[in-house]
Amino acid sequence: DIQMTQSPSTLSAYVGDRVTITCRASQSIRSWLAWYQQKPGKAPKLLIYKASNLERGVPSRFSGSGSGTDFTLTISSLQPDDFATYYCQEYDTYSWTFGQGTTVEVK
Amino acid sequence: QVQLVQSGAEVGKPGASVRFSCKTSGYIFTDYAMHWVRQAPGQGLEWVAWVNPANGNTKYSPKFQGRVTITLDTPADTAQMELRSLRSEDTAVYYCAFSSFLEAGLDYWGQGTLVTVSS
Repeated sequence: DIQMTQSPSTLSAYVGDRVTITCRASQSIRSWLAWYQQKPGKAPKLLIYKASNLERGVPSRFSGSGSGTDFTLTISSLQPDDFATYYCQEYDTYSWTFGQGTTVEVK
Repeated sequence: QVQLVQSGAEVGKPGASVRFSCKTSGYIFTDYAMHWVRQAPGQGLEWVAWVNPANGNTKYSPKFQGRVTITLDTPADTAQMELRSLRSEDTAVYYCAFSSFLEAGLDYWGQGTLVTVSS
């Protein structure tokens, strides 16, 4: 099975900071990668699909890039509502593996 | 509008089984595969399985193979998950979710069902 590794596990930042989270797949997943945001007690919310496509209704400060094995999620200017946990997920195979998550916290 | 409404919290004893459901509305149930994802307390997301409601085909994570069964009640637009031989580490919130178009990730999610394994 494919392994998905996110880094960092925790990220401390200020409002207004540019934030980047990386996700690495153990083998090529082409562009079949999604990013989710999750807040405590809530279901995950899809942000980015197929590596770089912004889900409808998601603010344009979120962007995704990459292909093959290396991917990034960038928040161009961190807003108070963005403090949350972020997950990548591959869907190139029949097993839709998640990364372990990155928590973005207030610095 | 699309809705996935999951059944209420369940408590099961170690070694027993639990079953919970995901009732859908607002779209054609057989058009999209349904996924199940779980999250243990304070932990990350873990993909469990998916089912194709059009033909009943299923795929399970190797970790859960043999302990999980996904069934369908197509006339009721409902998917169910049964988890057997419960262990304490199965205590988690279980979500149903699906992709509404081919290239999407999981763009629609249920609210989750909390399963607690306790003697």
